Amino acid sequence: NAGVMQNPRHLVRRRGQEARLRCSPVKGHSHVYWYRQLPEEGLKFMVYLQKENIIDESGMPKERFSAEFPKEGPSILRIQQVVRGDSAAYFCASSPQDRGMNQPQHFGDGTRLSIL
Amino acid sequence: KQEVTQIPAALSVPEGENLVLNCSFTDSAIYNLQWFRQDPGKGLTSLLLIQSSQREQTSGRLNASLDKSSGRSTLYIAASQPGDSATYLCAVPNSGYSTLTFGKGTMLLVSP
Repeated sequence: NAGVMQNPRHLVRRRGQEARLRCSPVKGHSHVYWYRQLPEEGLKFMVYLQKENIIDESGMPKERFSAEFPKEGPSILRIQQVVRGDSAAYFCASSPQDRGMNQPQHFGDGTRLSIL
Repeated sequence: KQEVTQIPAALSVPEGENLVLNCSFTDSAIYNLQWFRQDPGKGLTSLLLIQSSQREQTSGRLNASLDKSSGRSTLYIAASQPGDSATYLCAVPNSGYSTLTFGKGTMLLVSP
């Protein structure tokens, strides 16, 4: 069974460019979560999605950041006009449809985003 | 707003020692608490999930306890090995959702 797959593993962008991070959840999981880990900081929740719906985006900056989880295909975290402060590790997690509250979240290996 | 604190921030022990990692949280109305392991440059591996109705959970040399009323959890690692070297994170769900609030972690180094 494949776990959560994130790509790319490493992404380098220049300031002002766009970054697209992809996440394929565990097969059968319909809940996807994105977290960001800044240097010397803990993981911080960004956005929680179910298929075609954003459930909670309270941790995501209002500008430049967007996320989607379409009916078909991976979840995408998109960062427009990147700045140096966006440099971080971005992790995706997934959990099953039912009983999401009491199911462990399965994490991918993350995408390390570096902004030049 | 839920806050999670982990003590110590770093721990270095010789191989074979038993050790305890601590996690505290401010809002005791949690559904569960999860312990993770993170290796450098890697993602998170779930170690143990304790439901709010449970007091402890065991997996191999790991034992996690939960005291909701005092807002504390401990992760006990028996007979530590160099392969246990990693950062250990605890996390609790945010109220009403299954999104997680994490502590900053304890970085463990077990030397041969």
